[in-house]
Amino acid sequence: AQKITQTQPGMFVQEKEAVTLDCTYDTSDPSYGLFWYKQPSSGEMIFLIYQGSYDQQNATEGRYSLNFQKARKSANLVISASQLGDSAMYFCAMRAFQAGTALIFGKGTTLSVSS
Amino acid sequence: DTGVSQDPRHKITKRGQNVTFRCDPISEHNRLYWYRQTLGQGPEFLTYFQNEAQLEKSRLLSDRFSAERPKGSFSTLEIQRTEQGDSAMYLCASSSTGQSGELFFGEGSRLTVL
Repeated sequence: AQKITQTQPGMFVQEKEAVTLDCTYDTSDPSYGLFWYKQPSSGEMIFLIYQGSYDQQNATEGRYSLNFQKARKSANLVISASQLGDSAMYFCAMRAFQAGTALIFGKGTTLSVSS
Repeated sequence: DTGVSQDPRHKITKRGQNVTFRCDPISEHNRLYWYRQTLGQGPEFLTYFQNEAQLEKSRLLSDRFSAERPKGSFSTLEIQRTEQGDSAMYLCASSSTGQSGELFFGEGSRLTVL
């Protein structure tokens, strides 16, 4: 069975600081993809970044980077230079390719950015 | 390019009534997903279509729930004999074929069962 664990219910950071949101996953499937989504208070789910299990390099998208440690089964999201607009719920998700195509989500981490 | 649209955005119903939600995916996407999200939780997978074929169903999808995607375009999710525990946000998402294709979500349909 596939599982995503996000152990930080809430994180607090000041503007312009970097923050790391933790995500660990569990799957026996050798081929999988890891995703991070942002959900602001308005409710829409916004795709941030993707990492494939066979990708050699950590994914980066602007201020977002994914710290992928395959042996530890972790896929932490790093947000550099936090902005007030980064305040939102963040979800880690996984798709195990042999098991199916559904994305399985973690419970999320609430990020609050203060000025 | 319009995104994923869902209708209605909000639905209040009495226990025991039937409700139906509609999702219009991004036009070139052949995969369509339904998720349920309760307050403070992550989205929970309900079901998935590739074109008109329903390929995966979660155990969460009890026999009171049915989903269709006729002609592989829009999809409907019907809940029969609603219960208070069905109160949640129902999210629809679509994606193109491909393992790394991210899901594009609609804004959701919020159901409140009184």
